[in-house]
Amino acid sequence: DGGITQSPKYLFRKEGQNVTLSCEQNLNHDAMYWYRQDPGQGLRLIYYSQIVNDFQKGDIAEGYSVSREKKESFPLTVTSAQKNPTAFYLCASSTLGGTSGRGTGELFFGEGSRLTVL
Amino acid sequence: AQKITQTQPGMFVQEKEAVTLDCTYDTSDPSYGLFWYKQPSSGEMIFLIYQGSYDQQNATEGRYSLNFQKARKSANLVISASQLGDSAMYFCAMREGRGTGANNLFFGTGTRLTVIP
Repeated sequence: DGGITQSPKYLFRKEGQNVTLSCEQNLNHDAMYWYRQDPGQGLRLIYYSQIVNDFQKGDIAEGYSVSREKKESFPLTVTSAQKNPTAFYLCASSTLGGTSGRGTGELFFGEGSRLTVL
Repeated sequence: AQKITQTQPGMFVQEKEAVTLDCTYDTSDPSYGLFWYKQPSSGEMIFLIYQGSYDQQNATEGRYSLNFQKARKSANLVISASQLGDSAMYFCAMREGRGTGANNLFFGTGTRLTVIP
């Protein structure tokens, strides 16, 4: 089945360590996104990419890095510079323009990765 | 200013009754899209319904309908005949522009809906 796969589902990290969250999609979507969700808050955009080897910062990019070497893959690295990394991370993808899904441009989401810093 | 405002942190509804979840938005762009997503306790985001700024009619998808009042900048979600499985977080989101590139969405803080048997 087509979809977005995030791994790991749960991850624990010690302070000062970098950690990489995986995101793979087989929907042939050009655009991919990383969002962060904290309790009681909505989703905030970290990074997004419209094409291979190119990506743009979102609203809260500090302390994070990404790469887009393949169309299907958009891994997110949470670096030690991220002051408060404990959160739920969601990866999403879409076509470019308003054509995803039923022509709405909707984002398709993975099941998320929950990162806890000990 | 917040682009998306959801003022109801939590809502309760009796099973089989209808419920309205509020959403107001703020944009100066004449072209935009409004989305509602459902997030069950498992965490995944499920797309429910979409309304484009130029759509003349309110969107409907099964038991979901969107009460779009453009002048008031509101896009309330109406769920009819509530079911126990509707208990979840609900997020309103907006995309500004015609969406020719990436579809970055701005999200509200969500409303937790609990359906009572």
